[in-house]
Amino acid sequence: NAGVTQTPKFQVLKTGQSMTLQCAQDMNHEYMSWYRQDPGMGLRLIHYSVGAGITDQGEVPNGYNVSRSTTEDFPLRLLSAAPSQTSVYFCASSYDEPYLSPLHFGNGTRLTVT
Amino acid sequence: KNEVEQSPQNLTAQEGEFITINCSYSVGISALHWLQQHPGGGIVSLFMLSSGKKKHGRLIATINIQEKHSSLHITASHPRDSAVYICAVRGAYSGAGSYQLTFGKGTKLSVIP
Repeated sequence: NAGVTQTPKFQVLKTGQSMTLQCAQDMNHEYMSWYRQDPGMGLRLIHYSVGAGITDQGEVPNGYNVSRSTTEDFPLRLLSAAPSQTSVYFCASSYDEPYLSPLHFGNGTRLTVT
Repeated sequence: KNEVEQSPQNLTAQEGEFITINCSYSVGISALHWLQQHPGGGIVSLFMLSSGKKKHGRLIATINIQEKHSSLHITASHPRDSAVYICAVRGAYSGAGSYQLTFGKGTKLSVIP
């Protein structure tokens, strides 16, 4: 099993460009989520999904869009990149809510916006 | 909102030492996670607990619900334990279906041979 796969590992964007961070899991997990990690701060939830067709906002959703058309995939779209979105992004999945099951993380995407 | 504090922020230990990393939170919780972030950046779940104690190999996690405190212990530390250890909590009063976790800033551990 591959677990949670994120692509790309690194990305540099210019301000105003758009892009999609890909996340796929092969564990048949219903719950998937996107976090960003910034220096000196804990991980913060951007968006999450509790199943195909169902998404919701987390703590810092502005500037990001998500969809969940299949159980396996949960892409994160940056609509118009800004320097404040420079961060490391992690996708995670779990088979149940995070008070009932552990999280499985992807290896992260390091995004720089110039 | 739950506040999660980890201590120490940085920790350097000699190989073989017993290590303790602490996590305190401000509001009642339904679950607490301990995560390990490798120097390469990947994050691995170590423990999820809501009461008592769990053990896996040389790692032990404990939680005291009344004191709102958890500890992660590493026995016979090894250089391969060098990583950032992150505590995360899920509030007891989060709404049904709420996915929100509050993460600590992490404790950076370096184990020297």
